[in-house]
Amino acid sequence: GENVEQHPSTLSVQEGDSAVIKCTYSDSASNYFPWYKQELGKGPQLIIDIRSNVGEKKDQRIAVTLNKTAKHFSLHITETQPEDSAVYFCAASGGGFKTIFGAGTRLFVKA
Amino acid sequence: DGGITQSPKYLFRKEGQNVTLSCEQNLNHDAMYWYRQDPGQGLRLIYYSQIVNDFQKGDIAEGYSVSREKKESFPLTVTSAQKNPTAFYLCASSITGQRSNQPQHFGDGTRLSIL
Repeated sequence: GENVEQHPSTLSVQEGDSAVIKCTYSDSASNYFPWYKQELGKGPQLIIDIRSNVGEKKDQRIAVTLNKTAKHFSLHITETQPEDSAVYFCAASGGGFKTIFGAGTRLFVKA
Repeated sequence: DGGITQSPKYLFRKEGQNVTLSCEQNLNHDAMYWYRQDPGQGLRLIYYSQIVNDFQKGDIAEGYSVSREKKESFPLTVTSAQKNPTAFYLCASSITGQRSNQPQHFGDGTRLSIL
């Protein structure tokens, strides 16, 4: 069935360093790839998304890249800050009605 | 402010009891969803509704039921048939139920525990 694999499951970086989270999807019909940030006790919030007709998208310190051939997409956070600490989920949709979520990456930014 | 409101924030269930989780949205979105989140796992789809008076089972619908009588409301009932209900439940909505390739807006969840 459809699947999204996300790595790493845990990531610890020093404040100011960059963080990269990678996802791989299985359904070649997927055409929409959102990233969500979930803080403790809260629901996920959309932070950036990319569609299959674009290879890269940037919003201030956050960027997402997409490689449709390899079915890979990645989240890049530069100049990390302690408030970036959270769980990040990638997702893929478009092949069917459902959105398939990755298992999440817990990011720790050490001050 | 527009958004999704889930209540209660914490809920406790006794053996053999049905409990209902509330989800209300004022975003005028057609589609609504219920997800279950367990530690270290992604979001698993329980039920979804593309339009009022219609809903479909997701991947883990057994032991759950829903209704969609109003556009803004999508309550989830966790029945006694759900033997492992302890989890964080998230409700979400999206603009249209016709396509899946659009962002979902989430509530802040209900944490359900067994007494």
